[in-house]
Amino acid sequence: AQSVTQLGSHVSVSEGALVLLRCNYSSSVPPYLFWYVQYPNQGLQLLLKYTSAATLVKGINGFEAEFKKSETSFHLTKPSAHMSDAAEYFCAVSDLAGGTSYGKLTFGQGTILTVHP
Amino acid sequence: DTAVSQTPKYLVTQMGNDKSIKCEQNLGHDTMYWYKQDSKKFLKIMFSYNNKELIINETVPNRFSPKSPDKAHLNLHINSLELGDSAVYFCASSPDYGLAGVKTQYFGPGTRLLVL
Repeated sequence: AQSVTQLGSHVSVSEGALVLLRCNYSSSVPPYLFWYVQYPNQGLQLLLKYTSAATLVKGINGFEAEFKKSETSFHLTKPSAHMSDAAEYFCAVSDLAGGTSYGKLTFGQGTILTVHP
Repeated sequence: DTAVSQTPKYLVTQMGNDKSIKCEQNLGHDTMYWYKQDSKKFLKIMFSYNNKELIINETVPNRFSPKSPDKAHLNLHINSLELGDSAVYFCASSPDYGLAGVKTQYFGPGTRLLVL
């Protein structure tokens, strides 16, 4: 069984400050990992994904995440926050296809990012 | 052009009614999904279809019945609606679930269902 834990349901940063959103996963097989962003009253948009290639993954809007197998983590970072980054962020894990999960995504609880001027 | 679209966007109805939510994708994907996001924003998969065949059916009440008339459409019919069904329902699609690995899932804008 897979699971995802996002540490901190709310993160607040000042504009221009570092953004760090934490995600730890549990998976019995090598995972595929994703970060999605949800703006108010909108659907989910893919930020980036890890699929066993480079461990440092760059996504849209200046976000990046590093896969650390030893720590079972996939934390999301951005060097300098913008007001437009305010949204809810979801980490998700999916196992390799071919198992019984058939590529379904298991999501974390979400982290609301607030950016102060 | 909208890649994954859902109708309606908002749905307010009374307990006991039957309602349907429609989903269409124009990405040519083989696999489609329904997710439920509850009031605490927790997202959980409900169903998945691949080429009109059901491949994932999580522990969802029988009142929920997905229907896929073709691989571009996956509709969700809900019978005898209950208060606890109030949530945001997201449709998603991906190229396929095959052995080459998991493909990115693309989400629709969501349908906000409120049962009174």
